[in-house]
Amino acid sequence: GAGVSQSPRYKVAKRGQDVALRCDPISGHVSLFWYQQALGQGPEFLTYFQNEAQLDKSGLPSDRFFAERPEGSVSTLKIQRTQQEDSAVYLCASTPLRTGELFFGEGSRLTVL
Amino acid sequence: AQRVTQPEKLLSVFKGAPVELKCNYSYSGSPELFWYVQYSRQRLQLLLRHISRESIKGFTADLNKGETSFHLKKPFAQEEDSAMYYCALFIGNQFYFGTGTSLTVIP
Repeated sequence: GAGVSQSPRYKVAKRGQDVALRCDPISGHVSLFWYQQALGQGPEFLTYFQNEAQLDKSGLPSDRFFAERPEGSVSTLKIQRTQQEDSAVYLCASTPLRTGELFFGEGSRLTVL
Repeated sequence: AQRVTQPEKLLSVFKGAPVELKCNYSYSGSPELFWYVQYSRQRLQLLLRHISRESIKGFTADLNKGETSFHLKKPFAQEEDSAMYYCALFIGNQFYFGTGTSLTVIP
């Protein structure tokens, strides 16, 4: 596909369940970002990859959050033992350069009951 | 501390009227600033960046370092401008986004 693809688009989890969210960036894009967007808020930075290297994970809210990009392409954001406060839209964005235009996916909406 | 402030959550203007969406930032270095837009049922996308000094869809934004502002302006609003607008500041490896302003252009 031409754009950033995220799956699933919607996920409902019971509190305590583990979830995995997938991001397929635009082919050739070096940089990949994950953001968390709570209702009525702007996107909040979670983590950043340059190829397969996770260069910044300072935004991950707790050690229950884990992200990987093992081959420098597809990335997975994993949330263990989900809590209600994890309910949000998780956005993935990629860019060919370190800075400049971010290309966003449509997001994965997580609802934790 | 909030790096980017967008004081207006909601803004309504009539078609043909001027529109200004406010953005203030907090950063002592040389900022890289952007405006992103999200139209209904579409993904977030870049509208413009200050470094390119361009006008996109009639919108412009001027960086004012003295006031630490990067307000988005358009002289004549159109109905298709109705959307959510986010101001963003890039520092290091991170984009800091404001909370967004929902613009409604009334026909």
